[in-house]
Parts: sequence; C-alpha cells; structure tokens
Amino acid sequence: EAAVTQSPRNKVAVTGGKVTLSCNQTNNHNNMYWYRQDTGHGLRLIHYSYGAGSTEKGDIPDGYKASRPSQENFSLILELATPSQTSVYFCASGEDWGPGQLYFGEGSKLTVL
Amino acid sequence: AQSVTQPDARVTVSEGASLQLRCKYSSSGTPYLFWYVQYPRQGLQLLLKYYSGDPVVQGVNGFEAEFSKSNSSFHLRKASVHWSDSAVYFCVLSAGMLSGSFNKLTFGAGTRLAVCP
Repeated sequence: EAAVTQSPRNKVAVTGGKVTLSCNQTNNHNNMYWYRQDTGHGLRLIHYSYGAGSTEKGDIPDGYKASRPSQENFSLILELATPSQTSVYFCASGEDWGPGQLYFGEGSKLTVL
Repeated sequence: AQSVTQPDARVTVSEGASLQLRCKYSSSGTPYLFWYVQYPRQGLQLLLKYYSGDPVVQGVNGFEAEFSKSNSSFHLRKASVHWSDSAVYFCVLSAGMLSGSFNKLTFGAGTRLAVCP
C-alpha cells in the first residue's frame, strides 16, 4: 500500500516564526509535491521535486522554500510565517510514468496567529 | 493557460438518487483528466482517470465520467448514491507534455457532496 505521511498534522505558529512541514513517502516515487488547500481555490502547487537534491517552484512559491534531502523526504519551510499562510497543506508523491496519479498524505493544518 | 471549473460548490442529493457533478476544462494541449475524492479529514484519492479512447471511463465504487471534447467537459456520474459518498470531489487536469511533467496538476475548486438519508 502506497503511503505518504505528514508531520505535524496540526500546527499553530506565530507571525514571523519559522515553520517546517515534513513529508515522508514509502512509495519510492521520484516526484513529490507540496500543495495548499483553501476554500474556493482547490489545491494549488507550491513546490515540487523530481528527486533527491532537486526542488522546483510551483504556481505559488512566494514565502515558501522546499528541501528534498532524500528520495523519501520532502519538507516545506516557511522562514517568516504570515497569517495569509494559514491553510491546509498536502504532500503528494507520484510516479514518473502516470499522469496525475498522485498519492496524498492526510494534510497538515497550519494556523498562523 | 489551463483551467478547471466546477460550477457547483455544493450538491445535496437523497440516498439512492442519481448524481452528476459537472466539470469544464480549458487546455491548449491533449487533456488528461481525473476525478479525485476527499473524504472528511483525509487526503485526496484518485477516483478515475481519462487519457484517451472510450470517452466513458469507469472508476471505483460505481462512479463513471464522460469526456466530451466538443463541450470541454468531464462530468462525473453515479447511478445510485450512498451516504458514504458524502465527500468533496475535485476535477483535475494534467499539464501533460506541455510542461514537461505529467504530474503538474490543475485542480478545480471542488464540489462538496452531501447525501441525505
């Protein structure tokens, strides 16, 4: 069974603080993704990665950094968190050869006060 | 630019009734289309996918979708819904070859389905 796990599942941060959201996948997929989900917007792509050591900007990268230290792990980093980054964040992994076949984690709810 | 429009933010149906969730897309290339479902407090799961060929594709749990190039649509259907189908449904478009990555996805805003007993 494909598995993507995210931590923490819930996080409350203060404005200006640093937040790191972590993602681990046991699917051995090369591709990993970070999305945020906001009401009325569906999911929007923040950063993605084609493999260890690579990160690419998605559609809304401003205010976010990403790190892919290994095949299994992909982190999303908010260096200076702002209230506008309050959202639910989803990590996903995907195969190279299957368009759109992504496997999602259960989400991380971030509240920035 | 690609886009996906789900015109209905919320749909309520009675258990046992038929269902159609609407999806319109815009793509300058060959569209690869998907429906994902999100059950409460869970991540998204693939329901079905369309790459090419037969415009009617079957998915899990009795769901099917019909692709129409002339209407730029990919509507989701089910003949008889169950209370456990209550969830948020996302219509999704893949960037495909244009972006160099099949897995850059464009999501619709989602339709929240409530099935009443």
